[in-house]
This record gives sequence, structure tokens and C-alpha cells, in this order.
Amino acid sequence: GAVVSQHPSRVICKSGTSVKIECRSLDFQATTMFWYRQFPKQSLMLMATSNEGSKATYEQGVEKDKFLINHASLTLSTLTVTSAHPEDSSFYICSATGARSYGYTFGSGTRLTVV
Amino acid sequence: AQKVTQAQTEISVVEKEDVTLDCVYETRDTTYYLFWYKQPPSGELVFLIRRNSFDEQNEISGRYSWNFQKSTSSFNFTITASQVVDSAVYFCALENTNAGKSTFGDGTTLTVKP
Repeated sequence: GAVVSQHPSRVICKSGTSVKIECRSLDFQATTMFWYRQFPKQSLMLMATSNEGSKATYEQGVEKDKFLINHASLTLSTLTVTSAHPEDSSFYICSATGARSYGYTFGSGTRLTVV
Repeated sequence: AQKVTQAQTEISVVEKEDVTLDCVYETRDTTYYLFWYKQPPSGELVFLIRRNSFDEQNEISGRYSWNFQKSTSSFNFTITASQVVDSAVYFCALENTNAGKSTFGDGTTLTVKP
């Protein structure tokens, strides 16, 4: 079945630094990838939709300069949290879909802690 | 606008009890998908089911069953003979087939006690 790999699973970084999270579709071509953010004990909030080869579409209230998304190939999308601050600490999770995938497959998530 | 409501924030049952998790949705779309996901403490989202809006047949998979009622915009999830391993947060989600975006409910935290 469709598998999405997300790395790293956990990352701790210092305030002011940037962190890159990778989302890879392992056995299918992901034409579209989604990035979600989840605060503790809350639901998943869609941050942006990323289509291969084009600019990501950000949801209202999400800073595109803060959360850089790149979907350079059909198997890889990256989310870079730039100049991270403690309030960026959260659980980030990606999902991907493609022509041969069934529904949406989620990555295992990345827990970001900014100290 | 789309909305998914999971009215039950937390449910606690004793092992072997049956439990139903409610999900009510709102959408103006005529074609959409409904999902249920399980999120164990480890954090990853586990896909449980996808239901097309045109398919109102109920589905059973082992101890899991889903009741889709378009007339009441509900897509409820029942776990029969619950087990401790069923303890997790369960999310119901609605996908707009045109935009492909999913809207999630707030989740129901299920605790199954031994």
C-alpha cells in the first residue's frame, strides 16, 4: 500500500534557527501533498497544499515566509520552519495523494520543540 | 464552508464494552469523502476507512463498523468488544473532492480501561 515517510520524527532546535521537515512518498508519485499542524490535544489544522512543480497554496493565517514549502519532485515535499520560535513548537504532519494511491496517506509526524 | 463535529470530547469504557463515536458533518458539496483516522499516543495517523458520499452502505471490518446516514449527515463509528489497545484519539474528516483538502473534527479521546 501507499507509504509516506516523514523525517525527522522529533527535533529540538534553538530559537532563531531553521528546521526542515521532509515528507516522502515511497511507493507512489504524490501529485499533491498537504501539511498540517496539530497543537496538543487539538485537531489537525491544514497549513498548506503543495502541488509538484508549483507554489504551495497557504491557508488563511499561515505565514508563507515563515513556513516555506517546496515540492520539487513527485516524491518529496519539504516544510522549512524559518527563524523558529517557541510558539512554533507543535506536531507537524504531512499527507500525500497521487493517481495510484487510495485516499490520503499520512506521514508519522514530526514533533518540533523550539527552546 | 465545511465543518466536522465530534461532540464527544472524551469517552471512557471498560474493556469488552461496545462504544460508538459520533461524527456529524456539514458541506454544500454533493460529492465528498468521509474518513476516520486513529491517532495512538505515538502520534501517527492511522487510516481506518474512507467512504464516498454516494455509498451509504454500512461497513464492518472486524470489531469496527461504520454507519453512514446521509439524511442526518452523520458517519458514526462503532467499536465492538473494545480492547485496551483501542485507546487513542479518533478523528473524523471530510474531504472536498474538488480541492482535495480534508477538514478534521476535533477528535474523540477514547480510553478503554482493563
